[in-house]
Amino acid sequence: ETGVTQSPTHLIKTRGQQVTLRCSSQSGHNTVSWYQQALGQGPQFIFQYYREEENGRGNFPPRFSGLQFPNYSSELNVNALELDDSALYLCASSTGQAVGGYTFGSGTRLTVV
Amino acid sequence: RKEVEQDPGPFNVPEGATVAFNCTYSNSASQSFFWYRQDCRKEPKLLMSVYSSGNEDGRFTAQLNRASQYISLLIRDSKLSDSATYLCVVNPTSGTYKYIFGTGTRLKVLA
Repeated sequence: ETGVTQSPTHLIKTRGQQVTLRCSSQSGHNTVSWYQQALGQGPQFIFQYYREEENGRGNFPPRFSGLQFPNYSSELNVNALELDDSALYLCASSTGQAVGGYTFGSGTRLTVV
Repeated sequence: RKEVEQDPGPFNVPEGATVAFNCTYSNSASQSFFWYRQDCRKEPKLLMSVYSSGNEDGRFTAQLNRASQYISLLIRDSKLSDSATYLCVVNPTSGTYKYIFGTGTRLKVLA
């Protein structure tokens, strides 16, 4: 059984650029949630996808968008990058209500300069 | 008031000590509770779920107090390898199944 994989592991972008982060779900999981974790903070919920539809969104602006594909892999897109977008971006996969908790990928560390 | 609040620490304890962390949550209708462990610059990993009756996993014991809206984690006989940040996680009944994380409590176990 494969785990959750994220790519790339590290990324440096310039303010104003756009970025796409990718996540492959754990086998059998149909739900993907994305989190942003700034240094010294807990992960903050960005949004969740269930069977290719957005299933909830946190307090993030529209320049944060996502997709989930038929194979349940997912992308997080961020437009017009700002310095404060520098963070660890975590993807978590689960089945439905995730009653057993999330399995996180190892994350993508994004630095905006 | 934050949805999930934790004392950020750090808690510096000697090896073999018992240490306890508390976490409070604001949504009284919250249904699921977890403790996650996060090592420096790594992803969070599920440590244990928290059940109303309390549950134990080796040296770790988790408790839920719904009346006072807090959960706790007790670590007995601390090991150097327990040094990490412990994140309290709550799943409110918002229908989106989003997990709300606390800011984490840092634990450093000293030799």
